[in-house]
Amino acid sequence: DTGVSQDPRHKITKRGQNVTFRCDPISEHNRLYWYRQTLGQGPEFLTYFQNEAQLEKSRLLSDRFSAERPKGSFSTLEIQRTEQGDSAMYLCASSRTGIEQFFGPGTRLTVL
Amino acid sequence: QKEVEQNSGPLSVPEGAIASLNCTYSDRGSQSFFWYRQYSGKSPELIMFIYSNGDKEDGRFTAQLNKASQYVSLLIRDSQPSDSATYLCAVMGTGGFKTIFGAGTRLFVKA
Repeated sequence: DTGVSQDPRHKITKRGQNVTFRCDPISEHNRLYWYRQTLGQGPEFLTYFQNEAQLEKSRLLSDRFSAERPKGSFSTLEIQRTEQGDSAMYLCASSRTGIEQFFGPGTRLTVL
Repeated sequence: QKEVEQNSGPLSVPEGAIASLNCTYSDRGSQSFFWYRQYSGKSPELIMFIYSNGDKEDGRFTAQLNKASQYVSLLIRDSQPSDSATYLCAVMGTGGFKTIFGAGTRLFVKA
Protein backbone atom coordinates (compact mmCIF):
# COMPACT_ATOMS: atom_id res chain seq x y z
CA ASP A 1 0.00 0.00 0.00
CA THR A 2 1.57 3.28 -1.07
CA GLY A 3 -0.99 5.62 0.48
CA VAL A 4 -0.62 7.90 3.49
CA SER A 5 -0.07 5.91 6.66
CA GLN A 6 -0.60 7.00 10.25
CA ASP A 7 0.49 5.44 13.49
CA PRO A 8 -1.00 4.56 15.85
CA ARG A 9 -4.54 4.09 14.57
CA HIS A 10 -5.97 4.37 18.05
CA LYS A 11 -4.61 5.95 21.20
CA ILE A 12 -6.21 6.00 24.64
CA THR A 13 -4.51 8.17 27.21
CA LYS A 14 -5.19 9.76 30.53
CA ARG A 15 -5.71 13.46 30.91
CA GLY A 16 -2.43 15.26 31.41
CA GLN A 17 -0.30 12.80 29.48
CA ASN A 18 1.64 13.65 26.33
CA VAL A 19 0.96 11.84 23.08
CA THR A 20 2.75 11.75 19.74
CA PHE A 21 1.37 10.68 16.39
CA ARG A 22 3.26 9.86 13.23
CA CYS A 23 2.34 10.39 9.59
CA ASP A 24 4.15 8.94 6.59
CA PRO A 25 3.08 10.73 3.41
CA ILE A 26 2.95 9.32 -0.07
CA SER A 27 6.44 9.13 -1.49
CA GLU A 28 7.48 12.32 -3.32
CA HIS A 29 4.62 14.36 -1.87
CA ASN A 30 6.33 17.44 -0.52
CA ARG A 31 3.18 18.95 0.99
CA LEU A 32 1.84 17.61 4.26
CA TYR A 33 -1.16 18.71 6.29
CA TRP A 34 -2.53 17.87 9.74
CA TYR A 35 -6.21 18.15 10.58
CA ARG A 36 -8.43 17.34 13.53
CA GLN A 37 -11.96 16.06 13.06
CA THR A 38 -14.69 15.60 15.63
CA LEU A 39 -18.03 13.88 15.14
CA GLY A 40 -20.36 15.79 12.87
CA GLN A 41 -17.72 18.32 11.85
CA GLY A 42 -15.41 18.69 8.91
CA PRO A 43 -11.64 18.43 9.27
CA GLU A 44 -10.16 21.41 11.12
CA PHE A 45 -6.84 22.64 9.76
CA LEU A 46 -3.93 22.39 12.19
CA THR A 47 -0.75 22.91 10.21
CA TYR A 48 0.94 22.69 6.80
CA PHE A 49 4.45 21.69 5.79
CA GLN A 50 6.15 22.16 2.48
CA ASN A 51 9.16 19.88 2.60
CA GLU A 52 10.58 20.43 6.09
CA ALA A 53 9.29 23.98 6.45
CA GLN A 54 6.18 24.60 8.53
CA LEU A 55 4.55 27.36 6.50
CA GLU A 56 1.23 27.78 8.24
CA LYS A 57 -0.33 26.73 11.49
CA SER A 58 -3.56 27.20 13.36
CA ARG A 59 -3.52 29.10 16.61
CA LEU A 60 -3.98 25.69 18.26
CA LEU A 61 -0.36 24.88 17.54
CA SER A 62 0.94 27.79 19.50
CA ASP A 63 0.13 26.14 22.84
CA ARG A 64 0.07 22.44 23.65
CA PHE A 65 0.23 21.22 20.09
CA SER A 66 3.43 21.01 18.08
CA ALA A 67 4.34 19.41 14.79
CA GLU A 68 7.58 18.61 13.06
CA ARG A 69 8.67 17.24 9.73
CA PRO A 70 12.37 16.57 9.93
CA LYS A 71 14.08 16.11 6.56
CA GLY A 72 10.79 16.67 4.78
CA SER A 73 9.68 13.06 5.03
CA PHE A 74 7.49 11.77 7.85
CA SER A 75 5.83 14.14 10.29
CA THR A 76 4.95 13.97 13.97
CA LEU A 77 2.22 15.75 15.89
CA GLU A 78 2.63 16.03 19.64
CA ILE A 79 -0.03 17.04 22.12
CA GLN A 80 1.22 17.91 25.57
CA ARG A 81 -0.86 17.78 28.74
CA THR A 82 -3.82 16.25 26.96
CA GLU A 83 -7.33 17.36 27.85
CA GLN A 84 -10.64 15.59 27.31
CA GLY A 85 -11.46 18.15 24.62
CA ASP A 86 -8.53 16.84 22.59
CA SER A 87 -10.41 13.61 21.92
CA ALA A 88 -10.85 13.51 18.15
CA MET A 89 -9.66 11.91 14.95
CA TYR A 90 -6.31 13.35 13.85
CA LEU A 91 -5.92 13.20 10.11
CA CYS A 92 -2.81 13.63 8.02
CA ALA A 93 -2.91 14.40 4.31
CA SER A 94 -0.25 14.77 1.68
CA SER A 95 -0.17 16.33 -1.75
CA ARG A 96 2.24 16.69 -4.65
CA THR A 97 0.47 19.56 -6.36
CA GLY A 98 -1.35 21.31 -3.55
CA ILE A 99 -4.64 20.55 -5.28
CA GLU A 100 -5.66 17.04 -4.33
CA GLN A 101 -4.96 16.08 -0.75
CA PHE A 102 -4.72 12.37 -0.01
CA PHE A 103 -5.80 11.59 3.50
CA GLY A 104 -4.46 8.89 5.76
CA PRO A 105 -6.72 6.64 7.87
CA GLY A 106 -6.33 8.87 10.91
CA THR A 107 -5.38 8.37 14.53
CA ARG A 108 -8.33 8.27 16.90
CA LEU A 109 -7.41 9.81 20.24
CA THR A 110 -9.46 9.20 23.37
CA VAL A 111 -8.53 11.17 26.47
CA LEU A 112 -9.97 9.73 29.67
CA GLN B 1 -20.40 33.43 10.81
CA LYS B 2 -18.65 30.20 9.90
CA GLU B 3 -16.05 30.45 7.17
CA VAL B 4 -17.62 27.63 5.14
CA GLU B 5 -21.27 26.80 5.66
CA GLN B 6 -23.23 23.79 4.53
CA ASN B 7 -26.63 22.39 5.40
CA SER B 8 -25.99 19.40 7.62
CA GLY B 9 -28.85 17.45 6.13
CA PRO B 10 -29.60 14.69 5.91
CA LEU B 11 -30.53 15.10 2.28
CA SER B 12 -32.51 12.12 1.07
CA VAL B 13 -33.04 11.44 -2.65
CA PRO B 14 -34.35 8.40 -4.51
CA GLU B 15 -32.03 6.34 -6.65
CA GLY B 16 -31.62 7.88 -10.10
CA ALA B 17 -32.50 11.40 -8.98
CA ILE B 18 -30.27 14.47 -8.95
CA ALA B 19 -28.75 15.38 -5.60
CA SER B 20 -27.92 19.06 -5.11
CA LEU B 21 -25.47 20.07 -2.40
CA ASN B 22 -24.73 23.67 -1.54
CA CYS B 23 -22.01 25.61 0.21
CA THR B 24 -21.29 29.26 0.97
CA TYR B 25 -18.01 30.77 2.07
CA SER B 26 -17.07 34.03 3.74
CA ASP B 27 -13.57 34.86 2.45
CA ARG B 28 -13.88 36.75 -0.84
CA GLY B 29 -10.19 36.15 -1.49
CA SER B 30 -10.65 32.40 -1.70
CA GLN B 31 -9.17 30.94 -4.84
CA SER B 32 -9.79 27.22 -4.89
CA PHE B 33 -12.85 25.19 -4.06
CA PHE B 34 -13.17 21.49 -3.42
CA TRP B 35 -15.75 18.82 -2.80
CA TYR B 36 -14.69 15.81 -0.75
CA ARG B 37 -16.72 12.68 -0.05
CA GLN B 38 -16.41 10.94 3.31
CA TYR B 39 -17.96 7.56 3.95
CA SER B 40 -18.80 6.72 7.54
CA GLY B 41 -15.66 5.72 9.42
CA LYS B 42 -13.40 6.59 6.49
CA SER B 43 -11.22 9.52 5.51
CA PRO B 44 -12.23 12.22 3.02
CA GLU B 45 -11.47 11.72 -0.65
CA LEU B 46 -11.49 14.41 -3.32
CA ILE B 47 -14.30 14.34 -5.87
CA MET B 48 -14.04 17.68 -7.65
CA PHE B 49 -12.15 20.95 -7.55
CA ILE B 50 -12.99 24.20 -9.30
CA TYR B 51 -11.22 27.53 -9.64
CA SER B 52 -13.24 29.54 -12.14
CA ASN B 53 -16.81 30.78 -12.17
CA GLY B 54 -19.18 28.47 -13.96
CA ASP B 55 -19.64 24.75 -14.19
CA LYS B 56 -17.17 21.90 -14.22
CA GLU B 57 -18.36 18.42 -15.09
CA ASP B 58 -16.76 15.07 -14.35
CA GLY B 59 -18.88 12.04 -15.06
CA ARG B 60 -22.01 12.18 -12.93
CA PHE B 61 -20.66 15.11 -10.90
CA THR B 62 -20.93 18.81 -11.71
CA ALA B 63 -19.38 21.51 -9.55
CA GLN B 64 -20.69 25.06 -9.87
CA LEU B 65 -18.95 28.20 -8.63
CA ASN B 66 -20.29 31.72 -8.30
CA LYS B 67 -17.63 33.93 -6.72
CA ALA B 68 -19.84 37.02 -6.70
CA SER B 69 -22.37 35.19 -4.54
CA GLN B 70 -19.63 33.25 -2.68
CA TYR B 71 -21.48 30.07 -3.49
CA VAL B 72 -20.34 26.60 -4.52
CA SER B 73 -22.55 23.65 -5.35
CA LEU B 74 -22.24 20.01 -6.31
CA LEU B 75 -24.76 18.19 -8.44
CA ILE B 76 -24.80 14.40 -8.52
CA ARG B 77 -26.79 13.02 -11.43
CA ASP B 78 -28.30 9.52 -11.48
CA SER B 79 -27.67 9.17 -7.75
CA GLN B 80 -26.77 5.68 -6.57
CA PRO B 81 -27.02 4.12 -3.10
CA SER B 82 -23.21 4.01 -3.14
CA ASP B 83 -23.23 7.83 -3.22
CA SER B 84 -24.63 7.83 0.32
CA ALA B 85 -21.96 9.64 2.33
CA THR B 86 -21.09 12.99 3.85
CA TYR B 87 -20.03 15.59 1.32
CA LEU B 88 -17.54 18.17 2.52
CA CYS B 89 -17.11 21.54 0.87
CA ALA B 90 -13.60 22.95 1.26
CA VAL B 91 -12.10 26.32 0.42
CA MET B 92 -8.46 27.32 0.04
CA GLY B 93 -7.45 30.93 0.56
CA THR B 94 -5.06 33.12 -1.34
CA GLY B 95 -2.02 31.72 0.48
CA GLY B 96 -2.69 28.37 -1.11
CA PHE B 97 -2.01 26.43 2.07
CA LYS B 98 -4.82 26.51 4.57
CA THR B 99 -7.93 24.58 3.57
CA ILE B 100 -11.13 25.31 5.44
CA PHE B 101 -13.76 22.59 5.47
CA GLY B 102 -17.46 22.91 6.05
CA ALA B 103 -19.21 20.58 8.48
CA GLY B 104 -20.53 18.49 5.61
CA THR B 105 -23.91 17.48 4.25
CA ARG B 106 -25.08 13.92 4.78
CA LEU B 107 -26.62 12.41 1.68
CA PHE B 108 -28.82 9.32 1.64
CA VAL B 109 -29.76 7.74 -1.67
CA LYS B 110 -32.70 5.40 -1.28
CA ALA B 111 -32.82 2.30 -3.48
